[in-house]
Amino acid sequence: KAGVTQTPRYLIKTRGQQVTLSCSPISGHRSVSWYQQTPGQGLQFLFEYFSETQRNKGNFPGRFSGRQFSNSRSEMNVSTLELGDSALYLCASSLAGIGDREIEQFFGPGTRLTVL
Amino acid sequence: GQNIDQPTEMTATEGAIVQINCTYQTSGFNGLFWYQQHAGEAPTFLSYNVLDGLEEKGRFSSFLSRSKGYSYLLLKELQMKDSASYLCAVRSVFSGGYNKLIFGAGTRLAVHP
Repeated sequence: KAGVTQTPRYLIKTRGQQVTLSCSPISGHRSVSWYQQTPGQGLQFLFEYFSETQRNKGNFPGRFSGRQFSNSRSEMNVSTLELGDSALYLCASSLAGIGDREIEQFFGPGTRLTVL
Repeated sequence: GQNIDQPTEMTATEGAIVQINCTYQTSGFNGLFWYQQHAGEAPTFLSYNVLDGLEEKGRFSSFLSRSKGYSYLLLKELQMKDSASYLCAVRSVFSGGYNKLIFGAGTRLAVHP
């Protein structure tokens, strides 16, 4: 079974630009969560999508947005990039059921975003 | 609010045992996860505790005390490949009945020969 894939793996942008990151979950997984990881802050929750609906959101400004498509693939968009947005962006998918194994999140390799 | 604390760094010797502690303060607690993350790689699932007690999985064990807001990850017979960051994450139920996973900053473990 293929794992979670994220594209692109690396991205360099300049301040003020916008960026779209993509995540394809494991086949059959309906929940996709996005996280920002920086050395100082660790893993910070951005948002979670389930069946094309955002059902959880972290404490990030409105410049960070996302969506999920009917095939469960998800995109994350950051507008008006700032230097502080440089980070590793990870997405994770899960079955989102109630069993122990169903809530386990499987992470993708991440997209390393550098804002200059 | 939500707060998760774990030591920033730890060192240990190959073959030894190491315990990584995690304390948390959260409302709507609904389980605690431990993840391992090697440098430059994605986090991988290690363990999940929702009830008090010890869960053992080979060389790794995880303990939870909900009344104390405390968990630890125990690594036995340490190997060099265990050098990684270990992330404690608490799952909490928020308004609407949905769960959110809140991560600690991680503990960077260095295993020396």
